[in-house]
Amino acid sequence: DTGVSQDPRHKITKRGQNVTFRCDPISEHNRLYWYRQTLGQGPEFLTYFQNEAQLEKSRLLSDRFSAERPKGSFSTLEIQRTEQGDSAMYLCASQTGLNTEAFFGQGTRLTVV
Amino acid sequence: KQEVTQIPAALSVPEGENLVLNCSFTDSAIYNLQWFRQDPGKGLTSLLLIQSSQREQTSGRLNASLDKSSGRSTLYIAASQPGDSATYLCAADSGTYKYIFGTGTRLKVLA
Repeated sequence: DTGVSQDPRHKITKRGQNVTFRCDPISEHNRLYWYRQTLGQGPEFLTYFQNEAQLEKSRLLSDRFSAERPKGSFSTLEIQRTEQGDSAMYLCASQTGLNTEAFFGQGTRLTVV
Repeated sequence: KQEVTQIPAALSVPEGENLVLNCSFTDSAIYNLQWFRQDPGKGLTSLLLIQSSQREQTSGRLNASLDKSSGRSTLYIAASQPGDSATYLCAADSGTYKYIFGTGTRLKVLA
């Protein structure tokens, strides 16, 4: 296993369209996170899964955003009716458990035009 | 509420210098602190994880320290190289299912 994998790496979409990103965590990592990073800033927490259960969501995750992790394996993050303010790098991370090293993927760069 | 600050925001040094990056956090009740490296347009690469019971961790030319009482962590890079040029981020885990990140230090090592 080579690490956390994210797809696509880049996505350009028109305002108002829906987009979906995928994250494949390191196998056997039961904790999975989504973060968002804008230029010049550190990543900001969006949501957290332990296995298939979504245990926490940030206030940043408006009702246009939804995340799933069916069967506790890969995860998807969907943004409906995209806005220009959604343009950012979306990062996925996974961990084996509490207080262990977090590993991040290469991110999905979203540009809304 | 945990807040993480990194100073300086940017740093340029000549090749071969030893340097220290600083990270401050407001809530000392942390589980761990992790240092990451980020190259332009890329994801985060984990460098070092320091758990709350530890004072420091070392990996190659990197040494990270943690002082919970003062709310500070430092990342020491020995004998810097141009390939070390990147943004360095620290993140604190307060056991709330998420890391709180600083805004990073952009390091440029000049050949």
